[in-house]
Amino acid sequence: GEDVEQSLFLSVREGDSSVINCTYTDSSSTYLYWYKQEPGAGLQLLTYIFSNMDMKQDQRLTVLLNKKDKHLSLRIADTQTGDSAIYFCAEIEDKFYFGSGTKLNVKP
Amino acid sequence: DTGVSQDPRHKITKRGQNVTFRCDPISEHNRLYWYRQTLGQGPEFLTYFQNEAQLEKSRLLSDRFSAERPKGSFSTLEIQRTEQGDSAMYLCASSLERTAEAFFGQGTRLTVV
Repeated sequence: GEDVEQSLFLSVREGDSSVINCTYTDSSSTYLYWYKQEPGAGLQLLTYIFSNMDMKQDQRLTVLLNKKDKHLSLRIADTQTGDSAIYFCAEIEDKFYFGSGTKLNVKP
Repeated sequence: DTGVSQDPRHKITKRGQNVTFRCDPISEHNRLYWYRQTLGQGPEFLTYFQNEAQLEKSRLLSDRFSAERPKGSFSTLEIQRTEQGDSAMYLCASSLERTAEAFFGQGTRLTVV
């Protein structure tokens, strides 16, 4: 089956940039996603990228897609303490396949 | 804003009891997904619907689990004879076919004691 992998933890200082990485296996995925989850809550859609795009920017968020290497990254500029959460990468082929999530800790 | 709504938010039940959860998707969305999430893990696929048709059900799902979407709008997920291993967050999501945006509800947290 499809496999989505992410590093488990990332710690940054407030104001720095955060980069969260993800690798996936299904080359036929139409879209790739980033979701944010705060404690006890559901998943919030942050952004997504169409599989034939290389980059997408949305305010403080930049998504980079390297389709050859099946690598997706999410850059958060000027990271704030409110960005502390778990971030999930997901690919879709009829249904979503999620990674295990990267816990982002932002230190003041 | 009427996003994806799940009810109840929390459920505590005794082992062996049956439970039913409800999901109300965004009104025009024809796809509806159920996922389960345990602590420290990513969401795990359970089943999904397109309109009222259940298109796929995870092989990991035992016969104790059943889901319906009778009129292609809201959906219910029932777990019969609950076990402690069923304790998890149950997430529902909806989307419009052939569009990218898929939105999740706040989830139902089930605790089996």
